[in-house]
Amino acid sequence: KAGVTQTPRYLIKTRGQQVTLSCSPISGHRSVSWYQQTPGQGLQFLFEYFSETQRNKGNFPGRFSGRQFSNSRSEMNVSTLELGDSALYLCASSLTPTDTQYFGPGTRLTVL
Amino acid sequence: AQSVTQLGSHVSVSEGALVLLRCNYSSSVPPYLFWYVQYPNQGLQLLLKYTSAATLVKGINGFEAEFKKSETSFHLTKPSAHMSDAAEYFCAAFSGYALNFGKGTSLLVTP
Repeated sequence: KAGVTQTPRYLIKTRGQQVTLSCSPISGHRSVSWYQQTPGQGLQFLFEYFSETQRNKGNFPGRFSGRQFSNSRSEMNVSTLELGDSALYLCASSLTPTDTQYFGPGTRLTVL
Repeated sequence: AQSVTQLGSHVSVSEGALVLLRCNYSSSVPPYLFWYVQYPNQGLQLLLKYTSAATLVKGINGFEAEFKKSETSFHLTKPSAHMSDAAEYFCAAFSGYALNFGKGTSLLVTP
């Protein structure tokens, strides 16, 4: 069974731009969560989706948003990029919101 | 909220030596606990998980962890380190909807 896939793997943007990251969960998994990983803050929870609904959101500004489609694929969007948004963005999928989370390879975002 | 603390941001062991990575959790109720490993430029790979079925949990690549309620610990061990074990290791507790991660421990394996 294929794992979690994330596209693109690498992205370079400039301040003020916006970006969309994509995540395809493991087949049959209906829950998708997003995390941000930075050297300073470590791994931080962004949001969680299940059945196309955002159930929980971490402590991030409104510039960070996301959605989940009927096929469970998810996208996250960051608007008005700031230098501090440079990070590895990880997507994780699970069968249901309380099941074990399996991670994708991440998208490395660099904001210049 | 359930949180975890990893003691030691860097651990260095010789090849063939015991690996011990420490994790303590903070909770009045035994949480679901996990160890993940991250190799350079990759995502997180699940090593093992504790879900209260057994206190000694065996994972992949020869790793295991023991849940000790009296010590609120969930330390990760491996009897004999391999060069391929060099990576970043994260302990995490499940909060009910998200994983709360420790700061990570970087494992260096020397020949």
